[in-house]
Amino acid sequence: DSGVTQTPKHLITATGQRVTLRCSPRSGDLSVYWYQQSLDQGLQFLIQYYNGEERAKGNILERFSAQQFPDLHSELNLSSLELGDSALYFCASSVGPTGSYNEQFFGPGTRLTVL
Amino acid sequence: GNSVTQMEGPVTLSEEAFLTINCTYTATGYPSLFWYVQYPGEGLQLLLKATKADDKGSNKGFEATYRKETTSFHLEKGSVQVSDSAVYFCALSPSRGNNRLAFGKGNQVVVIP
Repeated sequence: DSGVTQTPKHLITATGQRVTLRCSPRSGDLSVYWYQQSLDQGLQFLIQYYNGEERAKGNILERFSAQQFPDLHSELNLSSLELGDSALYFCASSVGPTGSYNEQFFGPGTRLTVL
Repeated sequence: GNSVTQMEGPVTLSEEAFLTINCTYTATGYPSLFWYVQYPGEGLQLLLKATKADDKGSNKGFEATYRKETTSFHLEKGSVQVSDSAVYFCALSPSRGNNRLAFGKGNQVVVIP
């Protein structure tokens, strides 16, 4: 158990809908990362937050947005869903924002299926 | 940009066999290199890491050496067990500026008793 929790574990929805994925980082970690794992694209970095502020942005679509709240949990919002958004979404957390010593601990993921 | 390339295809081998998974990278500067493992139905776990050239990361019998001259970080284990069956990902973190990880495609390893 990494200490990072993600809910829900599974999500099934229809095209055009909007969903929210939730992540709680390990106790004491200030940085949260979101990654998408799909069969065709592999594991891709989406976005990073540090202590409530956006820190880095990767291949995140405009239909997707995220935020980190004062209690440090984070939410990833996916809207106008398409079939191609079906994937496993991972959250990770680390103590600081940068540096190789900042090991990222991954949650178990949320599997999103868009029908 | 930064990228990681892993050898294509799953790896199937017998218990106690020698395992090698190749990983090469493209990056500017001096990235940190990682191997992550994903067991069925679980998230990724850090297996080992190396933060500078010639460093050797090791954990649970697995080893990988950061080779800057060949831009490689191959994973090896001398004698695999059935419990090592999992997907293995090579990843890098840039040398400065941010902590985002760039992952390879991953290799499914299946160890047969």
